[in-house]
Amino acid sequence: QKEVEQNSGPLSVPEGAIASLNCTYSDRGSQSFFWYRQYSGKSPELIMFIYSNGDKEDGRFTAQLNKASQYVSLLIRDSQPSDSATYLCAVIPNDYKLSFGAGTTVTVRA
Amino acid sequence: SQTIHQWPATLVQPVGSPLSLECTVEGTSNPNLYWYRQAAGRGLQLLFYSVGIGQISSEVPQNLSASRPQDRQFILSSKKLLLSDSGFYLCAWTIGTSGSHEQFFGPGTRLTVL
Repeated sequence: QKEVEQNSGPLSVPEGAIASLNCTYSDRGSQSFFWYRQYSGKSPELIMFIYSNGDKEDGRFTAQLNKASQYVSLLIRDSQPSDSATYLCAVIPNDYKLSFGAGTTVTVRA
Repeated sequence: SQTIHQWPATLVQPVGSPLSLECTVEGTSNPNLYWYRQAAGRGLQLLFYSVGIGQISSEVPQNLSASRPQDRQFILSSKKLLLSDSGFYLCAWTIGTSGSHEQFFGPGTRLTVL
């Protein structure tokens, strides 16, 4: 079983809609959770992190964490063409090392 | 503010040739440093990490090695490249002391082995 799993997509949403990205993880002791955005040919960029159960909002992005279900999600509201990218979920199981999912590719169509 | 540099940005090397990729971090001290590889269309694979000068942990057995000669310098090397070494190599850093563990990535080096 992979440590971090994401739907590979592609996820296609119309401009202005909500994009919903899901991620599950296997290590129940994980404490820190991150979402990165990676444009084609570029390095990953940290956009959100969350440590506690519940929701965390930052602009058009909302991260949701449910440790009991071992589930973390990212919502992108009012999706824009500039949001078209691959979104990587990452988890720290128990030490300094991040474990990454394979990523979900999002396409926002105008 | 902290910045992370990697060079070269792109590299084309023949099979069997040596490799040296460099990463430097500015604006912080005693960072944890990481090397990742991302194959085309794939996720990030952690190759090495370092919590201090001369301290290297290897995650994946392979023909690559890493060194940390200075606090803010991390080098990835190979004596003989394989075709399978092609990929996007990313250096990342995080704060060394206990904290939020957010990792920040450099711009990457795209390596093509022919």
